[in-house]
Amino acid sequence: DAGITQSPRHKVTETGTPVTLRCHQTENHRYMYWYRQDPGHGLRLIHYSYGVKDTDKGEVSDGYSVSRSKTEDFLLTLESATSSQTSVYFCAISRGEGDTQYFGPGTRLTVL
Amino acid sequence: AQTVTQSQPEMSVQEAETVTLSCTYDTSESDYYLFWYKQPPSRQMILVIRQEAYKQQNATENRFSVNFQKAAKSFSLKISDSQLGDAAMYFCAYRPMYSGGGADGLTFGKGTHLIIQP
Repeated sequence: DAGITQSPRHKVTETGTPVTLRCHQTENHRYMYWYRQDPGHGLRLIHYSYGVKDTDKGEVSDGYSVSRSKTEDFLLTLESATSSQTSVYFCAISRGEGDTQYFGPGTRLTVL
Repeated sequence: AQTVTQSQPEMSVQEAETVTLSCTYDTSESDYYLFWYKQPPSRQMILVIRQEAYKQQNATENRFSVNFQKAAKSFSLKISDSQLGDAAMYFCAYRPMYSGGGADGLTFGKGTHLIIQP
């Protein structure tokens, strides 16, 4: 299995609070991704990174920001969490464009 | 925009039997990749199989095989000799070969819940 960890694995927070999720990889892969999974929607891309400090938006980026200061870490931040951001968040990595994406174990976030 | 459709929200099969999960997709691209991922109750997303659109030969991985029909934009997954451990959600996913300035990521279907009857 690809070496991908996500922290925290579970989090409960209140509306309006900032939240940061971390994805850490030990594979030295160039590309990293954040997806959210909601019932009836499959997984949807939030943001992705194609290198250190190089990021771009995905399909559902509103309300989220990301940062990548090191190859191994990709952070997802909810500046002011809302109940609509209650979801399971997955990080994925790939060696290059078009290569297979491997997923982390997911983070379940509940916003009350 | 690309879309991926899995028309079977749930499927059930007897242990040791064969089951086929359907997936169709819509794209104007000619070069792309297709994937099947498995998500067991542990929530981990596990790659089952990958198909490159430029390859005519259908991909296989042990008991898992696909029927890729490019003209029909169809990509079904066949599981032979079903086992209890195959019970999971199965997601079909699409990615163009070149993002062409657009978002680089997978487009997923909504999933099929596969139940294995002992």
